[in-house]
Amino acid sequence: DAKTTQPNSMESNEEEPVHLPCNHSTISGTDYIHWYRQLPSQGPEYVIHGLTSNVNNRMASLAIAEDRKSSTLILHRATLRDAAVYYCILRDVSVSGSNYKLTFGKGTLLTVNP
Amino acid sequence: NAGVMQNPRHLVRRRGQEARLRCSPMKGHSHVYWYRQLPEEGLKFMVYLQKENIIDESGMPKERFSAEFPKEGPSILRIQQVVRGDSAAYFCASSPSGSSYEQYFGPGTRLTVT
Repeated sequence: DAKTTQPNSMESNEEEPVHLPCNHSTISGTDYIHWYRQLPSQGPEYVIHGLTSNVNNRMASLAIAEDRKSSTLILHRATLRDAAVYYCILRDVSVSGSNYKLTFGKGTLLTVNP
Repeated sequence: NAGVMQNPRHLVRRRGQEARLRCSPMKGHSHVYWYRQLPEEGLKFMVYLQKENIIDESGMPKERFSAEFPKEGPSILRIQQVVRGDSAAYFCASSPSGSSYEQYFGPGTRLTVT
């Protein structure tokens, strides 16, 4: 499985934008980039996913580098509720891949200061 | 629309007892996944089931662990003769299909073995 590298922790202030980086230099052409987050004492929650183009949804934006070897999750205005561990995950969607299996790393612990 | 439900939320067992963890997927979802989160570690895939079928149990320990998803009723993760090392948070997720981009997670069952 292609691996991802994320900083262990990041800090932000409330109402400010947050850019969470993820490196995935060994990504394959059939790997989708997914982001999940896990709030304290809760199960993971899907945030966003993309393949090549930048993506936006109501929760966040995903910026994908042109060579796809890195990506950035962008929270436009952090709130206290965004404090969580954020996981960057690659999912192979090729026919032969185990594309249902999410492989979680250690993620980035985001602290939001009031 | 109720989300994924897991019960119990907390379970305490003595060494050697059995633990039964239940997961009711979201309405309309027939694909269930179990993940385990050991203390200070990331979530690890355990097993993927569809109604009445185990599709992939590559992440399950070879002994004492079993899972089922019957035609009627919730999915069950069963741990026989629990040991202290089984203490962890067990999360269930569901999706409408195996290739769905998003898995919806439950709140987890925290198992403590004394």
